[in-house]
Amino acid sequence: SAVISQKPSRDICQRGTSLTIQCQVDSQVTMMFWYRQQPGQSLTLIATANQGSEATYESGFVIDKFPISRPNLTFSTLTVSNMSPEDSSIYLCSVEDLRDEQFFGPGTRLTVL
Amino acid sequence: QKEVEQNSGPLSVPEGAIASLNCTYSDRGSQSFFWYRQYSGKSPELIMFIYSNGDKEDGRFTAQLNKASQYVSLLIRDSQPSDSATYLCAVNEDSSYKLIFGSGTRLLVRP
Repeated sequence: SAVISQKPSRDICQRGTSLTIQCQVDSQVTMMFWYRQQPGQSLTLIATANQGSEATYESGFVIDKFPISRPNLTFSTLTVSNMSPEDSSIYLCSVEDLRDEQFFGPGTRLTVL
Repeated sequence: QKEVEQNSGPLSVPEGAIASLNCTYSDRGSQSFFWYRQYSGKSPELIMFIYSNGDKEDGRFTAQLNKASQYVSLLIRDSQPSDSATYLCAVNEDSSYKLIFGSGTRLLVRP
């Protein structure tokens, strides 16, 4: 399976600021996704990162709050904008391989004070 | 609202026993079913997938799928303390690439 890295691995941020999370894959992949895992909860899909076009957001998530870039087939960024303590969560990118299996990066643990 | 239901546990089994983890889903159009293992503080790791009714075995793991009953399970034979983790069931939404995750079942294997 693809090797996925994320930066930063964790961060502590102040309310009202923004944080950009990077996801890098060691091979070209068509499908990349961003998920959120709030404390003690399961994974929720935020959006699908589309290469060369705007991301596709799930219900409850909007581009102004979570802008996403996907400049090529190996890289994507997720920005968490104007953060509040409710945004404290683990943010995970995932990729789908040719067998339709999804693999996750190591995650970014975000704490907003 | 499409849902994937799991018992949150914890499910406690002695070392060497069979652990049985269950999952039900609401979307009859789902075609792909996945089991992920998540250790505390780590990201989910794909351990099994199944697409067809019946059983699929991989080492100590067996996934079972019954589409008529909308039920998928994971059996772990000869459970080891290292199997202690949260197991997440994921189902694709209506044959799309989107995965819906259950809330996970915490498994505790007692030495």
